[in-house]
Amino acid sequence: AQSVTQLDSQVPVFEEAPVELRCNYSSSVSVYLFWYVQYPNQGLQLLLKYLSGSTLVKGINGFEAEFNKSQTSFHLRKPSVHISDTAEYFCAVSLHDSGGSNYKLTFGKGTLLTVNP
Amino acid sequence: DVKVTQSSRYLVKRTGEKVFLECVQDMDHENMFWYRQDPGLGLRLIYFSYDVKMKEKGDIPEGYSVSREKKERFSLILESASTNQTSMYLCASSLRDFFSYEQYFGPGTRLTVT
Repeated sequence: AQSVTQLDSQVPVFEEAPVELRCNYSSSVSVYLFWYVQYPNQGLQLLLKYLSGSTLVKGINGFEAEFNKSQTSFHLRKPSVHISDTAEYFCAVSLHDSGGSNYKLTFGKGTLLTVNP
Repeated sequence: DVKVTQSSRYLVKRTGEKVFLECVQDMDHENMFWYRQDPGLGLRLIYFSYDVKMKEKGDIPEGYSVSREKKERFSLILESASTNQTSMYLCASSLRDFFSYEQYFGPGTRLTVT
């Protein structure tokens, strides 16, 4: 079974600083990888996804993530954060197999990003 | 735009009550999911459905059941609510598409069981 570890439960940063939110996964088969964001009192929305191809994936709101197969990581980055990026961020993985439950997502426990003025 | 709606944003129920949480999606998605979200635990899958009348248990199905009589609607049922089911409940849907896998989420229902 696959699992997802988000290494930091909380990340406080100052506005306009760069940020990296870390995500590692474990799986015996190939995976698809996702980052979701949850703003206060809202549901989750997709930031970006890696299915195949280029390992550097760009998403909405200036975020990007890099898939590193050898390190089984999918870290999320933004070069300069805004107050409005304050939210909880979830990394998720889906198994890349041909059938069965390959549309299920396993989520990490989340990282709360707080951007301070 | 895909829209997933949930019947209530906030719900307060008493221990032992039967509770229905409703979810409706408007994009003809085959897959629908129910998660619960608790601080420090992230999202945990309760049940999912890949077609009408079809369902599979997720990671934490105990104390819950589901119903999917129509493609657009997926209901979560707490047969006898208990205080440890106080949580945020999120519904999601997705296409059954090999290259997709993106799940679209509703706004959530915050359930308090007293």
